[in-house]
Amino acid sequence: AQRVTQPEKLLSVFKGAPVELKCNYSYSGSPELFWYVQYSRQRLQLLLRHISRESIKGFTADLNKGETSFHLKKPFAQEEDSAMYYCALRCPTNAGKSTFGDGTTLTVKP
Amino acid sequence: DAGITQSPRYKITETGRQVTLMCHQTWSHSYMFWYRQDLGHGLRLIYYSAAADITDKGEVPDGYVVSRSKTENFPLTLESATRSQTSVYFCATNRGAGTDTQYFGPGTRLTVL
Repeated sequence: AQRVTQPEKLLSVFKGAPVELKCNYSYSGSPELFWYVQYSRQRLQLLLRHISRESIKGFTADLNKGETSFHLKKPFAQEEDSAMYYCALRCPTNAGKSTFGDGTTLTVKP
Repeated sequence: DAGITQSPRYKITETGRQVTLMCHQTWSHSYMFWYRQDLGHGLRLIYYSAAADITDKGEVPDGYVVSRSKTENFPLTLESATRSQTSVYFCATNRGAGTDTQYFGPGTRLTVL
């Protein structure tokens, strides 16, 4: 069974500080991993996916298969980064179903 | 993204009533999903559909029914609403099963009294 764990429900940092949102997963195959963000009163939107190895809004995430982790990082947090962040795992061989973590609410204080 | 819409956006109903939440997408994507979002539980998959007339249960399907007679529509029905179904419901769609972006609707906030 696939599972995604985000150990921190709440995370608070000051503007300019580094931020890391943790995500651990369990899955027997080769996972497709994603980070989604939900700003206040907005719909969920894709932030980044591991296969693209991209940086979006200064965020990066590296897939560590040995540690089964996909932590989201940003070196200098901004107030506009305050949002709910979800880590998600998708099974390409299982109708593309996604399993989401419980989410982490990030607050960036001025 | 205006390509996926949900209606109504807000709904208050009473225990035992039937409620249908609508989801419509304009991209002709194959895959559609219904999630519920609850504090402490993140997003949980209720039902999904890989194509028209193909639906399957997700993690929490009890008390819900879906249909997909047309590719663009994926209604979710609560046959007899219960208070535990008070939640925010999100519809989502993606073109393929792999790394394609999953697009979410704006959500429907449902309150069952």
